[in-house]
Formats: sequence, structure tokens, C-alpha cells
Amino acid sequence: DTEVTQTPKHLVMGMTNKKSLKCEQHMGHRAMYWYKQKAKKPPELMFVYSYEKLSINESVPSRFSPECPNSSLLNLHLHALQPEDSALYLCASSQEGFGYTFGSGTRLTVV
Amino acid sequence: SQQGEEDPQALSIQEGENATMNCSYKTSINNLQWYRQNSGRGLVHLILIRSNEREKHSGRLRVTLDTSKKSSSLLITASRAADTASYFCATVGGYQKVTFGTGTKLQVIP
Repeated sequence: DTEVTQTPKHLVMGMTNKKSLKCEQHMGHRAMYWYKQKAKKPPELMFVYSYEKLSINESVPSRFSPECPNSSLLNLHLHALQPEDSALYLCASSQEGFGYTFGSGTRLTVV
Repeated sequence: SQQGEEDPQALSIQEGENATMNCSYKTSINNLQWYRQNSGRGLVHLILIRSNEREKHSGRLRVTLDTSKKSSSLLITASRAADTASYFCATVGGYQKVTFGTGTKLQVIP
């Protein structure tokens, strides 16, 4: 299995909702990432997990809460989001010194 | 911001021509990677060049790296309509931190 699987592919949520994005990989990669990408912009790093520990938090608002339950899974819990948080959320994984494998993303719309 | 800059921002060429994209960055790196992204989808890893390498080939792709100038280029030879996409360079520094450049939108006209 050489894929990163993200669910759901599309999500519409209200500003008072709580939802979670999920990411899964079975390549044995020990680093996993969340990126946010707005239209016509490059991906922006949000969080890095290395060996299931949060190693980088790029000053992301607390309404985004990451979780790494095990070495194959990465979640992003969403609560009280704003319309400006609407974006494509990308998960990726990697082994050090090699390229990153990205999932196809979750298209999030906050209404 | 440590974000790299890519130029051109957009490039339109005829099928069969070569396409060259450039990337400049600001910080020291462990390696530099190039990715392709079709509209609204995930990124696909194309090629990785390590900081001690100067040139690398993969099929129709050729990547160069000049660490003294903090720049890299991606050459796609004999372009095809299917190469139409956005291309991003990504620099990898310490702690596995990947920073993407601003991207080049390539259109290959059949």
C-alpha cells in the first residue's frame, strides 16, 4: 500500500459544528503532516507529527486540534471554525530523506 | 516567511516544447523536492535532490540545484498536454519541515 487515504473528500460544516478529518497510511512512515491550501496558493504547513509526537505546530488556532492515535492514523479535529477556514486540507506522510506522499485532500467549506 | 519563490508564475507552451521552472529559497536545506498538483487535488512527488547533489534526472524531468545561489530549476522535456498542472518546489530543512514555493502554473497546449 503506497497511498495516503483522507476522509471525507468533501465536508460542509456550520460554525458551531464539531467535525474530524481523518488520514491513514500503511507505508510505515513515521512522520505525518497536516497542510492547509487556499485556492491558487501553495500548501501551508499546520502540524508535524514525528513518531506519534507533535513536533511542529505552526501557530495554528486552537479551533484546529490534531491527534495521532497510532503510527498509521492522523486526525484533525475541527470546532467553531470560521468561513475563512474554508480550504483544501492535505495530509502527508514521509520517511526522512525521501519525498512526501500526499493524500487527495478534504475540501472543507465552513458556512 | 521562508517560502520559496518560483518563476514564472504561469507558463504556456505548445506540446513538444520544453518547460523550465525556477525556484529560489532563503534558508539552508537538507534537500529540495518538486511536486505536481492537478487542479484541486493532492500533490504528487516528482523528484528529490539532496543538498550535495547538483543535477538529477527522472524520465523527462531534469532538476538542478545550486546551493550557493539558493536556487533550483525543473526542466520538463518534450511536454505533453497531460503535463498541464501546477508545479511546486519544496525545501526541506530541519525537523522534517517542508516549505512550499509559490508555484508555477503550466499549461501545455495540444
